[in-house]
Amino acid sequence: EDQVTQSPEALRLQEGESSSLNCSYTVSGLRGLFWYRQDPGKGPEFLFTLYSAGEEKEKERLKATLTKKESFLHITAPKPEDSATYLCAVTTDSWGKLQFGAGTQVVVTP
Amino acid sequence: GAVVSQHPSWVICKSGTSVKIECRSLDFQATTMFWYRQFPKQSLMLMATSNEGSKATYEQGVEKDKFLINHASLTLSTLTVTSAHPEDSSFYICSATKPGQGRSYEQYFGPGTRLTVT
Repeated sequence: EDQVTQSPEALRLQEGESSSLNCSYTVSGLRGLFWYRQDPGKGPEFLFTLYSAGEEKEKERLKATLTKKESFLHITAPKPEDSATYLCAVTTDSWGKLQFGAGTQVVVTP
Repeated sequence: GAVVSQHPSWVICKSGTSVKIECRSLDFQATTMFWYRQFPKQSLMLMATSNEGSKATYEQGVEKDKFLINHASLTLSTLTVTSAHPEDSSFYICSATKPGQGRSYEQYFGPGTRLTVT
């Protein structure tokens, strides 16, 4: 059975304290791995899509990497506005149907 | 990026009534749209996959007669919760796949609709 597991469940950081979130997956035929950010009461905001092991993408203080078994979302020198729940999802079918992990809630304190 | 809208953003209805939620892709034509449900402190659970002009494909355990999906055009999908009950209260979110180059699967989400059934 396909599984997407995110760790840790929650992460509390001081402003400027870099860290990484993990998303491990066991799926057959990965077609894409996605990272989203979700603020309370809002829909997920698209961050990155990764397709192949070894691929990396960056956006401001965020960098996503992908291996054959897991993906990391690195947050460099976070700011309080980076506080959110970060969701990882995978797709294995041609329509792009997503299976989500449980998410990592990140709180960045000044 | 791309913009997906939902309407209404929140709705309160009485038990036994039906509620319609609209999902629109504003600046692109979506090949596929999806409907999710999210309970407090939980992740998104896929309810159904919707393709324009075709019947929706529902995930296991989702009642197709209760959650009616109509994908009228490449920019509009609607979810109707029929004969709503308090247990249907939830946060409903749609998403749309933006066609890209090759195997691109960029999927964008709407802002969500908070449904409360009294």
